[in-house]
Amino acid sequence: ETGVTQTPRHLVMGMTNKKSLKCEQHLGHNAMYWYKQSAKKPLELMFVYSLEERVENNSVPSRFSPECPNSSHLFLHLHTLQPEDSALYLCASSQEFGDHSPLHFGNGTRLTVT
Amino acid sequence: AQSVTQLGSHVSVSEGALVLLRCNYSSSVPPYLFWYVQYPNQGLQLLLKYTSAATLVKGINGFEAEFKKSETSFHLTKPSAHMSDAAEYFCAVTNSGSARQLTFGSGTQLTVLP
Repeated sequence: ETGVTQTPRHLVMGMTNKKSLKCEQHLGHNAMYWYKQSAKKPLELMFVYSLEERVENNSVPSRFSPECPNSSHLFLHLHTLQPEDSALYLCASSQEFGDHSPLHFGNGTRLTVT
Repeated sequence: AQSVTQLGSHVSVSEGALVLLRCNYSSSVPPYLFWYVQYPNQGLQLLLKYTSAATLVKGINGFEAEFKKSETSFHLTKPSAHMSDAAEYFCAVTNSGSARQLTFGSGTQLTVLP
C-alpha cells in the first residue's frame, strides 16, 4: 500500500453533476489536507483536518464540501462546479497539524468540469 | 506573514551540468523551509527540509540546499543533472509563529537536455 491513495485518478463531470473524491492514508497521521493545483498558480490550500476536526477552511466556495469520517479517510464532495474548478486536486497528510512535519501527498485526482 | 519566491519558472540544464534552482523567502520569525519535487502525473514528494539544525541540508537523489539567513535564500543544487531529474520543484515555508500553514512557491520546471 502506498502512503496516500487518491481515487479516482481522473474525473470528468458536468456542471450539474455530484461526485466525490476520496483519499486514504496508511501512515498513521493525524492531519489531512486538500490542495488545489491549477496551471501556473501556487498550490492552494483548501481544507485541513486534524483528528477529524476541520481546522482550516480557506474561503473555499460551498460547492466543495469536505468530509473526514476518521483520521485515515478524507473526502471532497463536489456539486454544481464551474469550468474554472478544473484542476489537479491533491490530498496530503502529516503527523500533526502545525508541527512542521513534512506533507505526504497522494498522486491527485485530475478533475475536468465540462 | 510568510511568502516564497522562486526565480525562474523554467530552467534547462544539460545532462551532467550543475542544477541550481532559486528560492527566496520572507518570514517574520525563523522559518522552516522545504523543497518538494513533482514528477509528471504524481503528487509532491519531499526532497529535503531545513529546521535550523544545520544550514546545509542534504536530501534525496543527490540534492542539497543551503539556508542563508543574510540573503533570505534557500537555493536547491545538484552537482550533476540526470535525465530523471526532469520534474517540477516547489519551495515552501512555514514558521513557528501563528501561521501554521505551509506556503508554496509557484514552482520551477526543470528540463534536462541530453
